[in-house]
Amino acid sequence: DAMVIQNPRYQVTQFGKPVTLSCSQTLNHNVMYWYQQKSSQAPKLLFHYYDKDFNNEADTPDNFQSRRPNTSFCFLDIRSPGLGDAAMYLCATSSGTSGEETQYFGPGTRLLVL
Amino acid sequence: GQSLEQPSEVTAVEGAIVQINCTYQTSGFYGLSWYQQHDGGAPTFLSYNGLDGLEETGRFSSFLSRSDSYGYLLLQELQMKDSASYFCAVKRRDSTLTFGKGTMLLVSP
Repeated sequence: DAMVIQNPRYQVTQFGKPVTLSCSQTLNHNVMYWYQQKSSQAPKLLFHYYDKDFNNEADTPDNFQSRRPNTSFCFLDIRSPGLGDAAMYLCATSSGTSGEETQYFGPGTRLLVL
Repeated sequence: GQSLEQPSEVTAVEGAIVQINCTYQTSGFYGLSWYQQHDGGAPTFLSYNGLDGLEETGRFSSFLSRSDSYGYLLLQELQMKDSASYFCAVKRRDSTLTFGKGTMLLVSP
């Protein structure tokens, strides 16, 4: 089945220690998104790629970076995680085709910062 | 900026009908989407309204009034499995979404 895959499902890191979360997709979608979702809150868009074009949200901290080496893979790098960065990180994709409105979400990676 | 308002929690019984409202204030509005998220799970797409009116998909329907900056999600014949959080989300010109804070729906027997 075509899908959005996130590994690992749970990630534990230490305060200040860089961490990378990964996302892959078999949908061959043009657009990939990274969201941060804290407990009982809305998913908050961090950035997205349309093909190779990177689009950062204005309020995304510099501590968060992203890479998309090819269509299938996208990475979220947190350079120096703080306690406030503990959250669920959701990757999503969409086709980018006009009229196609669905974003397909992966299962998420829950990040714990010690 | 963008802001969306939806109730934090709604309760209903199996078999009932429930309506979850969403009002928004935004620039560059292109449409309103609805997503369902079970506890610990990923959001899944339910419905989208780009134009005023009603969209129906099985037991779920969604409505949009652009002039009132208002939409709602209607869930009919409620089932226990419908207990989840429901998010409205505004689609922006670049096709990204801004999500509301979500409404937790609790369905009881």
